[in-house]
Amino acid sequence: KNEVEQSPQNLTAQEGEFITINCSYSVGISALHWLQQHPGGGIVSLFMLSSGKKKHGRLIATINIQEKHSSLHITASHPRDSAVYICAVRGNSGGSNYKLTFGKGTLLTVNP
Amino acid sequence: DTAVSQTPKYLVTQMGNDKSIKCEQNLGHDTMYWYKQDSKKFLKIMFSYNNKELIINETVPNRFSPKSPDKAHLNLHINSLELGDSAVYFCASSQVKGGKNSPLHFGNGTRLTVT
Repeated sequence: KNEVEQSPQNLTAQEGEFITINCSYSVGISALHWLQQHPGGGIVSLFMLSSGKKKHGRLIATINIQEKHSSLHITASHPRDSAVYICAVRGNSGGSNYKLTFGKGTLLTVNP
Repeated sequence: DTAVSQTPKYLVTQMGNDKSIKCEQNLGHDTMYWYKQDSKKFLKIMFSYNNKELIINETVPNRFSPKSPDKAHLNLHINSLELGDSAVYFCASSQVKGGKNSPLHFGNGTRLTVT
C-alpha cells in the first residue's frame, strides 16, 4: 500500500462544477503539497500546507492532521483546469524532511 | 527568467550508452532533487542534495551518479543505460531553513528514451 493514497484516480466534470480531490497519508508529515501537471508539461506547486486551509483564486486546499487527510477543491471549474493533480507529503524526521512521497495522481478532465 | 532549467528536454539513446542531464537553479535555494516519473506518471525521489551534500539516495542503481559542483547545479550522469531507464526525469529545488522546507520549484523535465 502506497503511503499516499489519492481519490479518485480519474475525474470528469462539466465546466462550472465544484471539484474535490482527496488525499490520505499514513506517515507523520511536516508538510503536504498539492502539485499540478498539464499533459506533456512540467510540474507546478499549487499549495504547501501543514495545517488548516489555503486559498488561491478558485483553488482551496485543506488539511486535517489528526485524520491524516487533505482535500483540494476547485470552484467554478474550467477546461484549462484539466490536468493531473498530485498530492505529496514531506516527512518529519531526519532525512525524510528532504524528500517528497507522492500519490499516484488524479487525472481531471473538465469538459466545456 | 527560468527558475529551474534542465537540459536536454529530450534524450534518445541506445542501450549501453552513457548520458548526462544537467540542472541549474537561479533561485538561491540550498537543496536540489532528482525525481523520476515512470510511464504510469508516478513520481519517485531519486536523490536529494543539501548544500552540495548528498542527503537522500533512494535505492537508485549505482549506474546513476549525481554531481553537485555548487548549490545551483545538480547534474545526473547515467552509465550503461537500460531500457527500464526510459522515463521523464525532473529536477527540483527548495530552500530548507530551520528544518522547514519552502515549496518546490520543478524543471520542465527531460524525457529519456532508451532504445
